[in-house]
Amino acid sequence: NAGVTQTPKFRILKIGQSMTLQCTQDMNHNYMYWYRQDPGMGLKLIYYSVGAGITDKGEVPNGYNVSRSTTEDFPLRLELAAPSQTSVYFCASSYRVGSLGNEQFFGPGTRLTVL
Amino acid sequence: GNSVTQMEGPVTLSEEAFLTINCTYTATGYPSLFWYVQYPGEGLQLLLKATKADDKGSNKGFEATYRKETTSFHLEKGSVQVSDSAVYFCALSGDYGGSQGNLIFGKGTKLSVKP
Repeated sequence: NAGVTQTPKFRILKIGQSMTLQCTQDMNHNYMYWYRQDPGMGLKLIYYSVGAGITDKGEVPNGYNVSRSTTEDFPLRLELAAPSQTSVYFCASSYRVGSLGNEQFFGPGTRLTVL
Repeated sequence: GNSVTQMEGPVTLSEEAFLTINCTYTATGYPSLFWYVQYPGEGLQLLLKATKADDKGSNKGFEATYRKETTSFHLEKGSVQVSDSAVYFCALSGDYGGSQGNLIFGKGTKLSVKP
């Protein structure tokens, strides 16, 4: 199993550009999540999905969109990049909800810089 | 709302020293508690977890006990190694309103172990 994979690893965008961060998992997990990690801060949830076709907003969704057409893929879309979106983005997945103590598996991250 | 507070870093220790990283939480209900570790340039990995009061999670020589009376989940290791140098995140998850299975993270504590 590859686990959770993310592409690209690094990206530099100009203000106003758009891009899609890709996330794929091969563990047949229903739950998938997108987090951003800012320096000296913990991770903040952007969007999450409880299954194909179902997505919902997390704590910091503004400026982002997601879709979940398959169990495996959960892409994150930035439409009009802004410097405030400079961050490291992590995708994660889990089999069941965390309240049951189930582990979230994280991808290696995408480091995005918006200039 | 739900939150996690962990001690500020960075923490610098000599090899074989005793480690404690404090973590306290605020939550409604009965959350599950986690410690994740992030090695340089990598995503987060689950280190240990506890799902109910008085549970002790342990892994790789690290331990943490779920203390409901003090709302704490402090991470300890008796003898650290250089290879333990990383950022450690305390997190909680529970059946509260909002994102299902979402993890609420502390800001992270960077540990550096010197030979």
